[in-house]
Amino acid sequence: GESVGLHLPTLSVQEGDNSIINCAYSNSASDYFIWYKQESGKGPQFIIDIRSNMDKRQGQRVTVLLNKTVKHLSLQIAATQPGDSAVYFCAEGTGTASKLTFGTGTRLQVTL
Amino acid sequence: GEEVAQTPKHLVRGEGQKAKLYCAPIKGHSYVFWYQQVLKNEFKFLISFQNENVFDETGMPKERFSAKCLPNSPCSLEIQATKLEDSAVYFCASSHDRALYGYTFGSGTRLTVV
Repeated sequence: GESVGLHLPTLSVQEGDNSIINCAYSNSASDYFIWYKQESGKGPQFIIDIRSNMDKRQGQRVTVLLNKTVKHLSLQIAATQPGDSAVYFCAEGTGTASKLTFGTGTRLQVTL
Repeated sequence: GEEVAQTPKHLVRGEGQKAKLYCAPIKGHSYVFWYQQVLKNEFKFLISFQNENVFDETGMPKERFSAKCLPNSPCSLEIQATKLEDSAVYFCASSHDRALYGYTFGSGTRLTVV
């Protein structure tokens, strides 16, 4: 197996509970933000995004909150399921460039 | 197809050897991006293309790394004279424009330099 991600921050939650994953971003000029989910051996999978002119956006079981004052982003997952176990990354981008700057991942472990 | 196809999935090279990675973007997507992920954590942007033109190469190492996206061919990322620190997973992503909902990643190529 892979001996990677040993130093990733880890969040352990029980199945059915809500999860909150936090991210601090660095660039005050960033105007969009995305949360990705990465499962072992796979590429990042888009979960939800938000533009800087919003402070909240909801999807199916997920909500992203943006606080531009303190440059903080959070991902809330409702009724966490075992299939939600993965590493979650926030990413930021600007309107003038397409590249994304990724934050440090957080490993979500869902216990039964 | 509807997925970004990266080949090979795994690549092992001795130090000093050349490595070449391939990426077929989703049909109709005009932007291609390459990222390097080290230790399953940090993602580092390398380069992006708009069709066959370099769009942003601010992340590309000045030496040993090169990339191309030619018409009717998969995009490629080539590393000359690989070093141990090049060991990483290299991800390709494509987008039909700069809107993020179209930004889809492939499954990556794991490069191991020994």
